[in-house]
Amino acid sequence: NAGVTQTPKFRVLKTGQSMTLLCAQDMNHEYMYWYRQDPGMGLRLIHYSVGEGTTAKGEVPDGYNVSRLKKQNFLLGLESAAPSQTSVYFCASKIQTNYGYTFGSGTRLTVV
Amino acid sequence: DQQVKQNSPSLSVQEGRISILNCDYTNSMFDYFLWYKKYPAEGPTFLISISSIKDKNEDGRFTVFLNKSAKHLSLHIVPSQPGDSAVYFCAARGGLFGNEKLTFGTGTRLTIIP
Repeated sequence: NAGVTQTPKFRVLKTGQSMTLLCAQDMNHEYMYWYRQDPGMGLRLIHYSVGEGTTAKGEVPDGYNVSRLKKQNFLLGLESAAPSQTSVYFCASKIQTNYGYTFGSGTRLTVV
Repeated sequence: DQQVKQNSPSLSVQEGRISILNCDYTNSMFDYFLWYKKYPAEGPTFLISISSIKDKNEDGRFTVFLNKSAKHLSLHIVPSQPGDSAVYFCAARGGLFGNEKLTFGTGTRLTIIP
């Protein structure tokens, strides 16, 4: 039982490049979330999904897109990376009836 | 507009003493509060939680207190151990039914001094 797996763990991008971060969970959770963690800012919600085929904007959605084509996967896309998107990205999931999230181990992204 | 605030970025405590981490919130519609613990290069892990209808919840060495009138919660760790050294985030649940999400504070780095 792997829990929440994030791919890749590290990545360096050049400004303007695109990439997709993958989050996969094997717990049959309905809800999935993408957060970013920045120094002094805590964890801020980018986008989330309450079920397969649904997505919604969080607190800081600009510059990101997401897709939830399969229940177990939640993809975060950066179409044109900017240095301001340098951050650690965390994916999380939960079942509908639970309060707490299960987090992945994070993706450290640097945009130069 | 930071709805959940942790005003102490860091805290150092002697091993065996009590650690008290504080969190303030502004949204009175939050109905559930959680504390997460995070080690370097790992994701946050759930520690303890409390419903807005309670004022205290205890789990072993960890106790969370909620003061709704002051919109304040605190996490007490006693006795503190070296393995407790980590970053602690408080989080509050809000949103419409079926659309709930957690809002996190900025975190407090706790260092336990042997």
